[in-house]
Amino acid sequence: SQQGEEDPQALSIQEGENATMNCSYKTSINNLQWYRQNSGRGLVHLILIRSNEREKHSGRLRVTLDTSKKSSSLLITASRAADTASYFCATSPNRDDKIIFGKGTRLHILP
Amino acid sequence: GAGVSQSPRYKVAKRGQDVALRCDPISGHVSLFWYQQALGQGPEFLTYFQNEAQLDKSGLPSDRFFAERPEGSVSTLKIQRTQQEDSAVYLCASSTRLAGLLIRSYNEQFFGPGTRLTVL
Repeated sequence: SQQGEEDPQALSIQEGENATMNCSYKTSINNLQWYRQNSGRGLVHLILIRSNEREKHSGRLRVTLDTSKKSSSLLITASRAADTASYFCATSPNRDDKIIFGKGTRLHILP
Repeated sequence: GAGVSQSPRYKVAKRGQDVALRCDPISGHVSLFWYQQALGQGPEFLTYFQNEAQLDKSGLPSDRFFAERPEGSVSTLKIQRTQQEDSAVYLCASSTRLAGLLIRSYNEQFFGPGTRLTVL
Protein backbone atom coordinates (compact mmCIF):
# COMPACT_ATOMS: atom_id res chain seq x y z
CA SER A 1 0.00 0.00 0.00
CA GLN A 2 1.15 3.55 -0.59
CA GLN A 3 1.00 6.16 2.10
CA GLY A 4 1.70 9.37 0.26
CA GLU A 5 -0.28 10.94 -2.49
CA GLU A 6 1.28 13.63 -4.68
CA ASP A 7 -0.58 16.45 -6.31
CA PRO A 8 -0.66 17.19 -9.18
CA GLN A 9 -0.12 13.86 -10.92
CA ALA A 10 1.50 15.67 -13.84
CA LEU A 11 2.88 19.18 -14.30
CA SER A 12 4.28 20.97 -17.34
CA ILE A 13 5.96 24.37 -16.96
CA GLN A 14 8.27 26.62 -18.94
CA GLU A 15 11.97 26.51 -18.23
CA GLY A 16 12.84 29.15 -15.66
CA GLU A 17 9.50 29.00 -13.87
CA ASN A 18 9.04 27.56 -10.40
CA ALA A 19 7.45 24.14 -9.89
CA THR A 20 5.46 23.23 -6.80
CA MET A 21 4.42 19.70 -5.91
CA ASN A 22 2.38 18.67 -2.90
CA CYS A 23 2.20 15.47 -0.92
CA SER A 24 -0.28 14.23 1.65
CA TYR A 25 0.23 11.24 3.90
CA LYS A 26 -1.88 9.26 6.30
CA THR A 27 -0.03 8.10 9.41
CA SER A 28 2.42 9.66 11.83
CA ILE A 29 5.96 9.89 10.53
CA ASN A 30 9.54 10.16 11.71
CA ASN A 31 10.63 12.00 8.60
CA LEU A 32 9.56 12.76 5.05
CA GLN A 33 11.80 12.52 2.02
CA TRP A 34 11.59 13.59 -1.60
CA TYR A 35 13.08 11.53 -4.41
CA ARG A 36 13.55 12.15 -8.10
CA GLN A 37 13.44 9.44 -10.73
CA ASN A 38 14.37 9.67 -14.37
CA SER A 39 15.48 7.14 -16.90
CA GLY A 40 19.03 8.36 -16.87
CA ARG A 41 19.85 8.32 -13.17
CA GLY A 42 17.27 6.07 -11.54
CA LEU A 43 15.84 6.96 -8.14
CA VAL A 44 17.81 9.64 -6.32
CA HIS A 45 17.33 11.04 -2.82
CA LEU A 46 16.85 14.82 -2.90
CA ILE A 47 16.09 16.06 0.58
CA LEU A 48 14.83 14.91 3.96
CA ILE A 49 12.82 16.87 6.48
CA ARG A 50 12.30 15.62 10.01
CA SER A 51 8.94 15.63 11.73
CA ASN A 52 10.02 18.45 14.05
CA GLU A 53 11.11 20.69 11.16
CA ARG A 54 8.84 22.99 9.18
CA GLU A 55 11.01 24.08 6.27
CA LYS A 56 14.27 23.06 4.67
CA HIS A 57 16.33 24.33 1.75
CA SER A 58 18.86 22.65 -0.50
CA GLY A 59 20.08 24.60 -3.51
CA ARG A 60 17.04 25.30 -5.69
CA LEU A 61 14.85 23.03 -3.58
CA ARG A 62 12.59 24.14 -0.76
CA VAL A 63 10.57 21.65 1.25
CA THR A 64 7.88 22.43 3.79
CA LEU A 65 6.19 20.08 6.22
CA ASP A 66 2.91 20.58 8.06
CA THR A 67 2.41 17.63 10.40
CA SER A 68 -0.96 18.95 11.60
CA LYS A 69 -2.26 18.67 8.03
CA LYS A 70 -0.08 15.66 7.20
CA SER A 71 1.20 17.40 4.11
CA SER A 72 4.43 18.52 2.49
CA SER A 73 5.39 20.58 -0.51
CA LEU A 74 8.43 20.60 -2.76
CA LEU A 75 9.32 23.81 -4.59
CA ILE A 76 11.88 23.80 -7.37
CA THR A 77 12.92 27.33 -8.30
CA ALA A 78 14.24 28.47 -11.69
CA SER A 79 13.47 25.13 -13.31
CA ARG A 80 15.81 23.61 -15.89
CA ALA A 81 15.30 21.01 -18.61
CA ALA A 82 17.29 18.56 -16.48
CA ASP A 83 14.59 18.79 -13.79
CA THR A 84 12.23 16.81 -16.04
CA ALA A 85 11.54 13.67 -14.01
CA SER A 86 9.07 12.02 -11.65
CA TYR A 87 9.14 13.25 -8.07
CA PHE A 88 8.07 11.09 -5.15
CA CYS A 89 7.46 11.91 -1.54
CA ALA A 90 8.29 9.11 0.84
CA THR A 91 7.80 8.59 4.53
CA SER A 92 9.46 6.52 7.21
CA PRO A 93 6.94 5.70 9.90
CA ASN A 94 8.24 5.45 13.46
CA ARG A 95 11.92 4.91 12.63
CA ASP A 96 11.07 1.86 10.53
CA ASP A 97 13.68 1.27 7.94
CA LYS A 98 11.31 0.73 5.06
CA ILE A 99 10.27 3.73 3.01
CA ILE A 100 6.71 4.17 1.82
CA PHE A 101 6.46 6.08 -1.45
CA GLY A 102 3.64 8.04 -3.00
CA LYS A 103 2.53 7.65 -6.60
CA GLY A 104 4.60 10.58 -7.81
CA THR A 105 4.29 13.77 -9.81
CA ARG A 106 5.55 13.71 -13.38
CA LEU A 107 7.24 17.05 -14.04
CA HIS A 108 7.99 18.16 -17.59
CA ILE A 109 10.04 21.29 -18.21
CA LEU A 110 9.30 22.87 -21.56
CA PRO A 111 12.16 24.61 -23.42
CA GLY B 1 31.66 0.64 -9.06
CA ALA B 2 30.63 2.76 -6.13
CA GLY B 3 26.87 2.39 -6.46
CA VAL B 4 24.25 -0.34 -6.13
CA SER B 5 24.18 -2.61 -9.16
CA GLN B 6 21.45 -4.94 -10.33
CA SER B 7 21.34 -7.67 -12.93
CA PRO B 8 19.92 -8.36 -15.33
CA ARG B 9 18.69 -4.90 -16.28
CA TYR B 10 15.92 -6.41 -18.38
CA LYS B 11 14.27 -9.80 -18.13
CA VAL B 12 11.50 -11.25 -20.26
CA ALA B 13 9.90 -14.39 -18.89
CA LYS B 14 7.13 -16.63 -20.08
CA ARG B 15 4.25 -17.03 -17.70
CA GLY B 16 5.02 -19.85 -15.29
CA GLN B 17 8.77 -19.47 -15.56
CA ASP B 18 10.99 -18.91 -12.49
CA VAL B 19 13.25 -15.84 -12.42
CA ALA B 20 16.11 -14.69 -10.20
CA LEU B 21 17.09 -11.06 -9.84
CA ARG B 22 20.42 -10.07 -8.35
CA CYS B 23 21.43 -7.06 -6.29
CA ASP B 24 24.98 -6.01 -5.39
CA PRO B 25 24.77 -3.36 -2.64
CA ILE B 26 27.33 -0.71 -1.91
CA SER B 27 30.29 -2.35 -0.22
CA GLY B 28 29.97 -2.27 3.55
CA HIS B 29 26.28 -1.37 3.58
CA VAL B 30 24.50 -3.38 6.22
CA SER B 31 20.90 -2.92 5.16
CA LEU B 32 19.38 -4.02 1.86
CA PHE B 33 15.88 -3.41 0.58
CA TRP B 34 13.79 -4.66 -2.33
CA TYR B 35 10.99 -2.63 -3.86
CA GLN B 36 8.54 -3.32 -6.68
CA GLN B 37 7.52 -0.47 -8.99
CA ALA B 38 4.59 -0.96 -11.33
CA LEU B 39 4.24 1.26 -14.38
CA GLY B 40 3.16 4.76 -13.40
CA GLN B 41 3.31 4.03 -9.68
CA GLY B 42 5.74 4.69 -6.87
CA PRO B 43 8.00 1.94 -5.53
CA GLU B 44 6.39 -0.42 -3.03
CA PHE B 45 8.36 -2.08 -0.25
CA LEU B 46 8.86 -5.84 -0.55
CA THR B 47 11.45 -6.95 1.99
CA TYR B 48 14.42 -5.84 4.07
CA PHE B 49 17.67 -7.45 5.24
CA GLN B 50 20.13 -6.45 7.87
CA ASN B 51 23.28 -8.37 7.05
CA GLU B 52 22.00 -11.88 6.29
CA ALA B 53 18.90 -11.61 8.47
CA GLN B 54 15.59 -10.94 6.74
CA LEU B 55 13.94 -8.63 9.26
CA ASP B 56 10.81 -7.69 7.35
CA LYS B 57 9.14 -9.49 4.47
CA SER B 58 5.69 -8.04 4.94
CA GLY B 59 5.60 -6.58 1.45
CA LEU B 60 6.15 -9.78 -0.48
CA PRO B 61 2.91 -10.18 -2.45
CA SER B 62 2.72 -13.96 -2.36
CA ASP B 63 4.62 -17.10 -1.40
CA ARG B 64 5.94 -17.20 -4.97
CA PHE B 65 8.33 -14.41 -3.97
CA PHE B 66 11.45 -15.33 -2.03
CA ALA B 67 14.51 -13.27 -1.18
CA GLU B 68 17.83 -14.23 0.35
CA ARG B 69 21.13 -12.66 1.33
CA PRO B 70 23.12 -15.64 2.60
CA GLU B 71 26.46 -13.90 3.20
CA GLY B 72 25.17 -10.48 4.08
CA SER B 73 26.22 -8.81 0.84
CA VAL B 74 24.71 -9.87 -2.51
CA SER B 75 20.97 -10.53 -2.48
CA THR B 76 18.74 -12.47 -4.82
CA LEU B 77 15.01 -11.98 -5.31
CA LYS B 78 13.40 -15.08 -6.75
CA ILE B 79 9.95 -15.23 -8.25
CA GLN B 80 8.50 -18.65 -8.92
CA ARG B 81 5.83 -19.43 -11.50
CA THR B 82 5.75 -15.85 -12.74
CA GLN B 83 2.41 -14.25 -13.57
CA GLN B 84 1.63 -11.26 -15.77
CA GLU B 85 0.92 -9.12 -12.71
CA ASP B 86 4.53 -9.62 -11.64
CA SER B 87 5.62 -7.39 -14.53
CA ALA B 88 7.30 -4.39 -12.93
CA VAL B 89 10.64 -2.79 -12.21
CA TYR B 90 12.32 -4.36 -9.19
CA LEU B 91 14.52 -1.91 -7.30
CA CYS B 92 17.18 -2.72 -4.78
CA ALA B 93 18.53 -0.22 -2.27
CA SER B 94 21.17 -0.33 0.43
CA SER B 95 21.96 1.81 3.44
CA THR B 96 24.43 1.95 6.30
CA ARG B 97 21.89 1.95 9.12
CA LEU B 98 22.33 -0.60 11.93
CA ALA B 99 19.48 -1.68 14.17
CA GLY B 100 19.62 0.22 17.44
CA LEU B 101 22.59 2.28 16.33
CA LEU B 102 22.21 5.19 13.98
CA ILE B 103 25.28 5.81 11.88
CA ARG B 104 23.34 8.65 10.38
CA SER B 105 20.33 10.34 11.88
CA TYR B 106 18.21 9.21 8.95
CA ASN B 107 17.97 6.15 6.80
CA GLU B 108 19.15 7.38 3.40
CA GLN B 109 18.86 4.56 0.93
CA PHE B 110 20.87 4.37 -2.27
CA PHE B 111 19.01 2.78 -5.14
CA GLY B 112 20.18 0.61 -7.99
CA PRO B 113 19.02 1.07 -11.60
CA GLY B 114 16.42 -1.67 -11.27
CA THR B 115 15.52 -4.79 -13.20
CA ARG B 116 12.59 -4.44 -15.59
CA LEU B 117 10.69 -7.74 -15.59
CA THR B 118 8.18 -8.41 -18.32
CA VAL B 119 6.07 -11.55 -18.05
CA LEU B 120 4.40 -12.60 -21.27
